[in-house]
Amino acid sequence: AQSVTQLDSHVSVSEGTPVLLRCNYSSSYSPSLFWYVQHPNKGLQLLLKYTSAATLVKGINGFEAEFKKSETSFHLTKPSAHMSDAAEYFCVVSVISGTYKYIFGTGTRLKVLA
Amino acid sequence: EAQVTQNPRYLITVTGKKLTVTCSQNMNHEYMSWYRQDPGLGLRQIYYSMNVEVTDKGDVPEGYKVSRKEKRNFPLILESPSPNQTSLYFCASTRLAGVYNEQFFGPGTRLTVL
Repeated sequence: AQSVTQLDSHVSVSEGTPVLLRCNYSSSYSPSLFWYVQHPNKGLQLLLKYTSAATLVKGINGFEAEFKKSETSFHLTKPSAHMSDAAEYFCVVSVISGTYKYIFGTGTRLKVLA
Repeated sequence: EAQVTQNPRYLITVTGKKLTVTCSQNMNHEYMSWYRQDPGLGLRQIYYSMNVEVTDKGDVPEGYKVSRKEKRNFPLILESPSPNQTSLYFCASTRLAGVYNEQFFGPGTRLTVL
């Protein structure tokens, strides 16, 4: 069965330091993977998606994610956190096998300290 | 502007009073879906539709109904709402052609059932 695990429910970093949000997936098929961000009281915005063209995926606002098949991971990183990055982040895997479903992780809330 | 719209954005109701949350997209997407978001649980899929007159249950369908009579609309119906359906609801859509298709989300509907 397909699943997504976000390893940290909360992450705190200081402004200007690196961000690492961890995501592990389980999929019987080649996965489609996404990261979405949700700012307080806002909807969901796509940060980036894995399309198999490259294992290192660049997204908006300086975020990147690396697909590692051997580790079944798709961790989200950013070299330098900004106060505006404070939000909740969701890792998502899509499943296309007879059905077409999107499975969300439980989310990681990122806090950025001044 | 390409978008997914939901109405109402906020709704307070009482137990047992039928309600409908509307969802409409203007991108000609085949796939539409409803999610509920609860703290610590991420987004869980309620129902999805792969085309007109084709709907299927997600992970938490109990207490909800949907219909897909037109490609652009996918209303969520709560026939007899209960307090445990108090949640933040999102509608989303995507095209089916290809495999790395991200979903586009509506702004959300915050429902309170008293």
